[in-house]
Amino acid sequence: KAGVTQTPRYLIKTRGQQVTLSCSPISGHRSVSWYQQTPGQGLQFLFEYFSETQRNKGNFPGRFSGRQFSNSRSEMNVSTLELGDSALYLCASSLELAGGPGGTGELFFGEGSRLTVL
Amino acid sequence: KNQVEQSPQSLIILEGKNCTLQCNYTVSPFSNLRWYKQDTGRGPVSLTIMTFSENTKSNGRYTATLDADTKQSSLHITASQLSDSASYICVVSANQGGKLIFGQGTELSVKP
Repeated sequence: KAGVTQTPRYLIKTRGQQVTLSCSPISGHRSVSWYQQTPGQGLQFLFEYFSETQRNKGNFPGRFSGRQFSNSRSEMNVSTLELGDSALYLCASSLELAGGPGGTGELFFGEGSRLTVL
Repeated sequence: KNQVEQSPQSLIILEGKNCTLQCNYTVSPFSNLRWYKQDTGRGPVSLTIMTFSENTKSNGRYTATLDADTKQSSLHITASQLSDSASYICVVSANQGGKLIFGQGTELSVKP
């Protein structure tokens, strides 16, 4: 069974540019969530999508957005990149919701997309 | 404020020894608590998920405990192996807002 696939694995951008990251979940999983990981802040929750709808959202500015397609694949977009956006962006999929009331979906993480902003 | 604090920040042990990692949280209302293992350069891998009513859960040599009254959890690793060297992350889910709150992790190094 194929795992969670994230593309691209590495990318370099400059300040002010925008970036789109892609995540293909495990077949049959309907929830996709996104996380930012930095040495200083650790892992932080960005948002979670389930059946093409954003269900939960972390405390990130509006420059961070995402969407989910009918085949459960998801993309996240960061606009007007800042130096502080340099991080490892992780995607995880689960059969059911991971967060919120009753959300106990086991998360399966991808290997991440490492973004460097110069 | 919802927070998850882990201790120690880092730990070095000898192969074959046991160790215990701690996680204290102030997340409310509590939904569940998870432990993940993250190898360097890889995505985290789930070890255990515990809800309010569970106080112990095992996964091989990993045993997690949860005390919902004191809002504390521990992860005990038995007979450590070199492959246990990794970052161990405690994650708490709140029943409201749907957020997952992550601890900063404990960096474990197992030496031969």
